[in-house]
Amino acid sequence: GAVVSQHPSRVICKSGTSVKIECRSLDFQATTMFWYRQFPKKSLMLMATSNEGSKATYEQGVEKDKFLINHASLTLSTLTVTSAHPEDSSFYICSATDLTSGGLNEQFFGPGTRLTVL
Amino acid sequence: GENVEQHPSTLSVQEGDSAVIKCTYSDSASNYFPWYKQELGKGPQLIIDIRSNVGEKKDQRIAVTLNKTAKHFSLHITETQPEDSAVYFCAASLPGTGNQFYFGTGTSLTVIP
Repeated sequence: GAVVSQHPSRVICKSGTSVKIECRSLDFQATTMFWYRQFPKKSLMLMATSNEGSKATYEQGVEKDKFLINHASLTLSTLTVTSAHPEDSSFYICSATDLTSGGLNEQFFGPGTRLTVL
Repeated sequence: GENVEQHPSTLSVQEGDSAVIKCTYSDSASNYFPWYKQELGKGPQLIIDIRSNVGEKKDQRIAVTLNKTAKHFSLHITETQPEDSAVYFCAASLPGTGNQFYFGTGTSLTVIP
């Protein structure tokens, strides 16, 4: 199956700093990437949908100026948490899909990034 | 939008027994229903999926059934093993939403050796 990687897997930062998380599709072209946030023992919460070459679409309640998403190529999307605070600590997961792949619906998930803000 | 409910939230079974997790969805237009397994500290992994033109799909010890009329689908794991212990999520996808998934709330499965 298709492989999606995330980097870093874990990051610890000080309050007020910015953190960038990368999501890469390794063996397919991802026309669309999704960013999720997951709290302990909770389901995945969709934060935003990014399409290659266009602005991301954010879900209601997600601050676009705080969570900057860039999808500059068909294999890479980045999520930058700006001016991070302890309440931003969470598990961030990306997924990728190829909307041109004959109508198939699968999303392929990355391994996640554990962000801890001190 | 779509609303997916998942039950039970926790499930404990003895090794070798079967486990069943059920999900219901609200939008009859949903046409793709994947199941994901998530181990602690890892991303979700697709274990099986089913499309709306099929009523049942099986892959070794795992099967999924879909009842479009009742708008529910279920995951069946037979001959459970300790390594099946994880959190399982169901999801539904609507056409025209760019492959967006609507996830259930998850089921924590524990297989007792």
